Amino acid sequence: QVQLQESGPGLVKPSETLSLSCTVAGASFSAYYWSWIRQPAGKGLEWIGRIYISGSTDYNPSLKSRVTMSVDTSKNQFSLKLKSVTAADTAVYYCAREKGAFGGWYHDYWGQGRLVTVSS
Amino acid sequence: DIVMTQSPDFLSVSLGERATINCKSSQSVLYSSNNKSYVSWYQQKAGQPPKLLINWASSRESGVPDRFSGSGSGTDFTLTITSLQTADVAVYSCQQFYRTPFTFGPGTTVDIK
Repeated sequence: QVQLQESGPGLVKPSETLSLSCTVAGASFSAYYWSWIRQPAGKGLEWIGRIYISGSTDYNPSLKSRVTMSVDTSKNQFSLKLKSVTAADTAVYYCAREKGAFGGWYHDYWGQGRLVTVSS
Repeated sequence: DIVMTQSPDFLSVSLGERATINCKSSQSVLYSSNNKSYVSWYQQKAGQPPKLLINWASSRESGVPDRFSGSGSGTDFTLTITSLQTADVAVYSCQQFYRTPFTFGPGTTVDIK
C-alpha cells in the first residue's frame, strides 16, 4: 500500500522560508512524478509543482519564483521550499504521487496534509 | 492556465436520490490522438485529503462504488451519484491534467436534504 506523509514546521514567520518534506512508503520513486498541492481553508486546491526522480521539475508559474523542490531517493523523500512567505501562503499542504498513463499524469495517492500557518 | 468551473456550489439531495455536478474547462482537454479527456474527479471529506474517484472523465477507480459515474468530453463534464448515501457527504472537485499547471475546480459541497 502506497503511503505518503508530510512533515515540517506548522508555523512560519512572514518573509521566511516554508520547508516541508514528504516521506514515501510502499512505492518506488521511479516512473512517477511527485507533487505538492495546497489548499487554503475553505478554498480550492492549487497545484504547486512536481519533481521527477531525475530532479527535473515543473512549477506553477504563479509560484515559480519562490518554489524549489528536491528529491532524496536514499531517504524515499521529496521536499518543498517556498521562500518569502506571506499570510496568503497559509494552507494545508499535500504531497501526492502522479501516475502516468496515455501521455497524462494524474494524482492517485495523497498524503494526509500538513497545515502551515504564516504568522509572526 | 486552463480554468475549471463547477456548478452548483452547493447541492442538497435526499438519501437515495440522484446528485449531478457539472464541470467546465476553459479550453478543450480532449487529446485527439486517443479520444480521452484528461479530467479527474475527487471526493474530499472534512479533514481528509482528496480521494480520486474518476479518471479520464469516465473511468472509475478501483474500489469506487458504482453509484459514482463520470461523463462528458472536450470542455463539459458531469459527475453523477445515482443513489446518494450518508457516506457521500463531501466536497467534489474536478481537475484537468491535460496541461500544466494542473488546475482544479472550486468544488461542489454535497449534503443530505
